[in-house]
Parts: sequence; C-alpha cells; structure tokens
Amino acid sequence: GENVEQHPSTLSVQEGDSAVIKCTYSDSASNYFPWYKQELGKGPQLIIDIRSNVGEKKDQRIAVTLNKTAKHFSLHITETQPEDSAVYFCAAHDYKLSFGAGTTVTVRA
Amino acid sequence: DAGVIQSPRHEVTEMGQEVTLRCKPISGHNSLFWYRQTMMRGLELLIYFNNNVPIDDSGMPEDRFSAKMPNASFSTLKIQPSEPRDSAVYFCASRDGIGPGEAFFGQGTRLTVV
Repeated sequence: GENVEQHPSTLSVQEGDSAVIKCTYSDSASNYFPWYKQELGKGPQLIIDIRSNVGEKKDQRIAVTLNKTAKHFSLHITETQPEDSAVYFCAAHDYKLSFGAGTTVTVRA
Repeated sequence: DAGVIQSPRHEVTEMGQEVTLRCKPISGHNSLFWYRQTMMRGLELLIYFNNNVPIDDSGMPEDRFSAKMPNASFSTLKIQPSEPRDSAVYFCASRDGIGPGEAFFGQGTRLTVV
C-alpha cells in the first residue's frame, strides 16, 4: 500500500516568514495529492490539492509543487500569519487517501 | 449543507463496554471513510464505503471493531468490547464520487476508555 512520509514534524517560523513542508510517497500509481489543515478540536480541512498531471499550483499565499519522478511534493506558505498556526497533513491517493504524520506549525508574532 | 455530522462529540466509557459512534455524511456523497487519529499513529484509515458497500476494511484493527452503512445518510462504527488502547479521536469523512477528490471531515468523536 501507499506510504507517505512528512517532514518536519514541527516547524516554528516568525510571522511574515515562509514555511515549507515536504512529503514523499511510495506508490507511483498515486495521482492526487491534497494538503489538509487541522485546527485544535476540529477535523482536517482541505486547503489545496494537486493532481499528477500538474507540477505546481498556487492559491494566494499557499503553493504546492509536485515532482512525480522523485515522488515528492511540498507545501509552501508565504507571509505567514498567526492564523496559519495549525497541524498540516499531506496525503496521497491511489484508490484511497493515505496521510502523512503531520507537521505542527507555530507562527511566532 | 451542515457538513459531515458526527455524534457524540465526546464519549467516556469503561473498559469492556460497547461503544457506538455515528456519522451522517454530506447529502449526495457516495463515499464514506472512518479514520482514527492518535499521537502515536496519526490518521489511520479504518474502513472505506462506496455506495453503502464496504470496499476496504483492511485498517480495522481487530474483530472488536465493526462498521455498517445501512443507507446513504448514516454510518456507525462499533467497538465491542472497548479497551483503553482504543482511546482516540475518530473521524468520519465523505466524498462525492469514487475517484480522487476532496474528502470532507466531521468534527470527530473523542473516545476515552477508562
């Protein structure tokens, strides 16, 4: 089955700086790569996704890149704000979603 | 739409008791997932239904766990008998279609088995 690895497990950034989270996956059949944000006491919520026929996607301060050859994808958050503090999960979809272990992001004011 | 609705939000039970968690998916979604979240193991997929039929239950830990989806608007996850190691947050998620796409998560049920 699919195995998704995510790094780092924790990330502390100064407000206004950028944050980068990286993931690798094992199954070359995976074709959909979403990123979820989980705030305390809530369920994960999709923030951006990318499909295997696209190399990069951007939505305001958030961008995701995908390298199918290397089987890795990354989340980039620019101009971080305190409300970006949360746990972020990457995932890969072959016929079901497999999640990474999560990254706890703390934005320091 | 109110989103995916799970009940109860919190459940505290004694070891050996039966626990039933409930989920109402988003209307029109035909895929439903049950996940378990713990600090040690992260988000684990327990079971996946499509059109009310279990497609993949390979993540169900053991025979103490069972899940049903009697109709398109309701699913249950039952643990009998419960054990302290079952303590976790259980999430239900639903999605439109069988292919890749956004899965919408409920607020979760925090289960504590004492």
